[in-house]
Amino acid sequence: AAGVIQSPRHLIKEKRETATLKCYPIPRHDTVYWYQQGPGQDPQFLISFYEKMQSDKGSIPDRFSAQQFSDYHSELNMSSLELGDSALYFCASSLLTRGENTEAFFGQGTRLTVV
Amino acid sequence: SQQGEEDPQALSIQEGENATMNCSYKTSINNLQWYRQNSGRGLVHLILIRSNEREKHSGRLRVTLDTSKKSSSLLITASRAADTASYFCATDASYNTDKLIFGTGTRLQVFP
Repeated sequence: AAGVIQSPRHLIKEKRETATLKCYPIPRHDTVYWYQQGPGQDPQFLISFYEKMQSDKGSIPDRFSAQQFSDYHSELNMSSLELGDSALYFCASSLLTRGENTEAFFGQGTRLTVV
Repeated sequence: SQQGEEDPQALSIQEGENATMNCSYKTSINNLQWYRQNSGRGLVHLILIRSNEREKHSGRLRVTLDTSKKSSSLLITASRAADTASYFCATDASYNTDKLIFGTGTRLQVFP
């Protein structure tokens, strides 16, 4: 079965550069989440989309933005990169069921290293 | 602040032993989920328990939920070396959110 696809798997950028991370959710899933996970840390919620509309937002820096496109893929754009942005970035998708966030399927993540 | 706090933060056991991890949360929830993560990999969903459920089983996994104490536990019975991973609880808060909030995780090491 198709899983959540993230690209690229690894990305190295210099400070102040821009990065774009892509996510392709499982077909027919209506919700996409983005999470950031630092080394040894728990996943921190960044932003979510329901049916291509932004539905919730966490502690996401103003330098970060995201959108979901008509084909349901999502992109996380990060500008003016800082060393502290180095982390694993996960995308997950799920099907909202009876108003509940149910099982989320995670991609393998993009490891971003800012040098 | 974190919705979910887990303890212990790290747990080391021998194969065949049981492993118990606990999770506490702060708000009312629709459901609580447990995920597993191998080092540097994506999270994998293990089990979901709804707020009106008290216990759930899946294979060697047993999850309990106490909404009065806002806590949950994950029991892995007859552990195997392959169970070595980090385990996270995640809550779906009932106050109209569109996210899962993860706890700090328990790093489980199972020695053969």
